[in-house]
Amino acid sequence: DSGVTQTPKHLITATGQRVTLRCSPRSGDLSVYWYQQSLDQGLQFLIQYYNGEERAKGNILERFSAQQFPDLHSELNLSSLELGDSALYFCASSAGQVTNEKLFFGSGTQLSVL
Amino acid sequence: QKEVEQDPGPLSVPEGAIVSLNCTYSNSAFQYFMWYRQYSRKGPELLMYTYSSGNKEDGRFTAQVDKSSKYISLFIRDSQPSDSATYLCATDSGGYQKVTFGTGTKLQVIP
Repeated sequence: DSGVTQTPKHLITATGQRVTLRCSPRSGDLSVYWYQQSLDQGLQFLIQYYNGEERAKGNILERFSAQQFPDLHSELNLSSLELGDSALYFCASSAGQVTNEKLFFGSGTQLSVL
Repeated sequence: QKEVEQDPGPLSVPEGAIVSLNCTYSNSAFQYFMWYRQYSRKGPELLMYTYSSGNKEDGRFTAQVDKSSKYISLFIRDSQPSDSATYLCATDSGGYQKVTFGTGTKLQVIP
């Protein structure tokens, strides 16, 4: 068990809808990262937050947004969903803010857009 | 061209074999090199972490980095069925930059 908790484990929704994925980092970790994993693209970095502030941005679509709350949990909001958004979404956490630190991954949220 | 290229496999080997997993990368700014193991329906977990060129050994696992050829390898000795998983190489230039992952190589160790 990595100590990173993601909910829900599975999410099935329709095109055009909006969903929220939740992540609780390991106790004491200040950084939260969001990744998208699909069969053809592999693990793609979306965004990083450190202690409530955005630190780095990757290939995140404008329809997607994230935030990190004062209690350090994070939410990834996906809106106007398309079929191609179906993927496994992972949250990871680390103690600090530089990304060469060890990342601890949650078990992911499997999103299916029908 | 992807920044990190990895053969997706699958790779099937008999138990006890030596496994070699490889990645190439294109960005010479990458300084940190990692191998993650991902079991089915689980998140990736860090296996090995190296900085710059050279070898690093941890039990049955050896990570090797050759920055001159932009080539990174993971060797698994005496492979076990429990090693069956997808192995992802990852690189990072440090600082606040994103970690870049390869697409992963699926390994099956047959008893």
